[in-house]
Parts: sequence; C-alpha cells; structure tokens
Amino acid sequence: DGGITQSPKYLFRKEGQNVTLSCEQNLNHDAMYWYRQDPGQGLRLIYYSQIVNDFQKGDIAEGYSVSREKKESFPLTVTSAQKNPTAFYLCASSRGSRVVAYTFGSGTRLTVV
Amino acid sequence: KNEVEQSPQNLTAQEGEFITINCSYSVGISALHWLQQHPGGGIVSLFMLSSGKKKHGRLIATINIQEKHSSLHITASHPRDSAVYICAVIIGGNQFYFGTGTSLTVIP
Repeated sequence: DGGITQSPKYLFRKEGQNVTLSCEQNLNHDAMYWYRQDPGQGLRLIYYSQIVNDFQKGDIAEGYSVSREKKESFPLTVTSAQKNPTAFYLCASSRGSRVVAYTFGSGTRLTVV
Repeated sequence: KNEVEQSPQNLTAQEGEFITINCSYSVGISALHWLQQHPGGGIVSLFMLSSGKKKHGRLIATINIQEKHSSLHITASHPRDSAVYICAVIIGGNQFYFGTGTSLTVIP
C-alpha cells in the first residue's frame, strides 16, 4: 500500500543538538510539506517542495532546514537555532501542482530536554 | 488573525447524537478539506470540497462558497468518532491554511 512513512514516532534530544526527522513517500507525489503542530494552534507550514532539488520556506522556516534530493524523501532538520523545537511534526505530500490527493504521515513528536 | 476559524473548539456528545462542526474562512479559496486527527497524531483526509455537499457513510460535509462557510456533520455518532477534526482551506491552488481543530469526544 502506498503512503507516507515518518520516523521515528517519538524523538528525544538534548537542547543544542541538531536532529533530523525522516519523511518517505511511495505515492509518486510531486509535492511534499512539513508542518508543525502546537497545542491550541493550527498546523503551520515550515517548508515545502514541489519538485526534486527545489524547496520553499513556509511561514515558520527559521531554525529548520530541508533537502529534496529524491522525489520520495523530504527530511527535516531541526537545528539548534530553533528556539522552541518541542512540537509535533507532520509530513504531507500531494500529487501535482494542484492539491488533488493530499496525504499526511503519522507524525513525529519531538521533545527537547 | 487566523484565516480559518472553527467552532466549537471542544465538543462532547452522547453516542447516537447528531454532531455539527463549523468552519468559516475569510479569503477566497480553491477548495476546503476536512481532516481527522486521532490521538496518535496521524491525520487522514475525510473530504475535499469546492462546492455543494459530499457524503461518506455517516459523515456529511457541506460548503457555501458565497458565505465562506463549511460544516461537517456526523450522524449517529459513535465513540470511535472521537478525534480532532480540522478544517483546512486551500489558497492559491497549493497552499493550506488550517483551523485549530475541534476536539470531539463521544461518550458511550
């Protein structure tokens, strides 16, 4: 079955360390997205990529970095510059330039201690 | 200001009740999604609407483009419907804006 795999489901890191969250899809979707979810707030867009080797900043890109070397993969690095990294991170993908089929991953809960 | 407003924020219902969750938005949109997020965090898309009404099982979603309003209805609610329901609008074809969600608890 096609879908999006995010790993790990739970992640703990010490303050000041960079950490990379994995997102892989086998849906042959062109576009991929990273969102952050905090309690009481809607999902906020961190970065998105519509084609391989290209990505754009979303609303809250500061302190994060991404890469899109393969169509299937869109890893997100939470850097030490991110002031409040503890959150729930969701990856998503969509087919084509218009949102026809939009699929979410199961998320990674990052806790920085 | 959030482009998408949902109400209510929290909802508790008895099993079997008819449930309505509302979503209002302030800008022109390409389409609107209703999403369901379970306690584990994963999200599934229930509906994508650009006009009219859609039905899937006990779920019904409607949208009024002129009034910039959508509703999600659940008929004969069941405890397994307990989840967070999120309204998301698509602006410019490929940019999502999300509501803060409605947390639904259905009591047996």
